[in-house]
Amino acid sequence: EAGVAQSPRYKIIEKRQSVAFWCNPISGHATLYWYQQILGQGPKLLIQFQNNGVVDDSQLPKDRFSAERLKGVDSTLKIQPAKLEDSAVYLCASSLTGVNTEAFFGQGTRLTVV
Amino acid sequence: RKEVEQDPGPFNVPEGATVAFNCTYSNSASQSFFWYRQDCRKEPKLLMSVYSSGNEDGRFTAQLNRASQYISLLIRDSKLSDSATYLCVVNTNAGKSTFGDGTTLTVKP
Repeated sequence: EAGVAQSPRYKIIEKRQSVAFWCNPISGHATLYWYQQILGQGPKLLIQFQNNGVVDDSQLPKDRFSAERLKGVDSTLKIQPAKLEDSAVYLCASSLTGVNTEAFFGQGTRLTVV
Repeated sequence: RKEVEQDPGPFNVPEGATVAFNCTYSNSASQSFFWYRQDCRKEPKLLMSVYSSGNEDGRFTAQLNRASQYISLLIRDSKLSDSATYLCVVNTNAGKSTFGDGTTLTVKP
């Protein structure tokens, strides 16, 4: 079974530029998550989708971050404009619906803002 | 105060040692609990779920104490391959997942 696919794997941009990340979840997984993981910290939830609706985006910095999952399958996360503190690994995960379900993670996109 | 707190370590132990990690959570409405393992520069992967009655998977034992709002992970007979960061995860009944910052374990020969 194919896992969660993310691209690109690595990205280096200058501050104030924009960047977009793409995620394709495991087939049949209704729930999709975007996490930000800063070095030395655990993943922090940015946004959670249930199909194409947003369940939780309370920690998404909405002045610069946006995400969409228009057809309820793959998703994009955008940062515009980027700041130095956005340097992190951006992890996408997906799961079946339910509180007791396992989340499967993609390999992540390592973003460096210079 | 963070919603989920873990001792960051690092824990440096010899092969064969027994090591225990604790994790505390602040939201009393939390419904489900997990331990994930994350190797260096890799994505997190589920190690085990944590059930109210406690559960064991080989050398790994997880326990939940709802009254004190903490979960634990015990690793017996540590192997070199157990070296990783162990992340505590707490889910609310709304399905929101909160990760701790992880505890780093290094098992040495």
